[in-house]
Amino acid sequence: NAGVTQTPKFQVLKTGQSMTLQCAQDMNHEYMSWYRQDPGMGLRLIHYSVGAGITDQGEVPNGYNVSRSTTEDFPLRLLSAAPSQTSVYFCASGERDQSSYNEQFFGPGTRLTVL
Amino acid sequence: AQKVTQAQTEISVVEKEDVTLDCVYETRDTTYYLFWYKQPPSGELVFLIRRNSFDEQNEISGRYSWNFQKSTSSFNFTITASQVVDSAVYFCALSEFGNEKLTFGTGTRLTIIP
Repeated sequence: NAGVTQTPKFQVLKTGQSMTLQCAQDMNHEYMSWYRQDPGMGLRLIHYSVGAGITDQGEVPNGYNVSRSTTEDFPLRLLSAAPSQTSVYFCASGERDQSSYNEQFFGPGTRLTVL
Repeated sequence: AQKVTQAQTEISVVEKEDVTLDCVYETRDTTYYLFWYKQPPSGELVFLIRRNSFDEQNEISGRYSWNFQKSTSSFNFTITASQVVDSAVYFCALSEFGNEKLTFGTGTRLTIIP
């Protein structure tokens, strides 16, 4: 199993450009999510999905869109990049088991710089 | 709303010393889960432990141990006989039952001095 993969690893954008951060998992997990990590602020939830066709907002959703057309993929779209979106982005996936919660598996991260 | 506080922003200790990383949490749920993750300089997030709120047993794994105290809403992490490879940022996180969303603390940067 490759686990959770993210592409690209690094990206530099100019203000106003759009791009998509890719995330894929091969563990058949229902739950997937996106976090951003900023210095001194830990990781904050952007968007999440509890299954194909179902997405919801997290703590900091503004400026980001997501969709979940398949179980495996959960792309994060920046419609018009801003310098405030300079961050490290982590994708995570996990099983949904109400009886015994399992840990979430994180991808390696994407470091995004917006100039 | 849930909240996780890691008051120690940075800690430095000399190799072989013991070190404890503090984590205090807030939640209105009676059933919840607590986690510790390690982020080494390479940047990935490494899962260390998950603890259910109804299991207050302390846990030991090699040089790592965790002290969970519901009375003080704390889930502290101790590294015994620290090593240089323990240098990393450590995050404590919380999720409520039936909700996979993780709330992270701001992290503690641990530096082990050889």
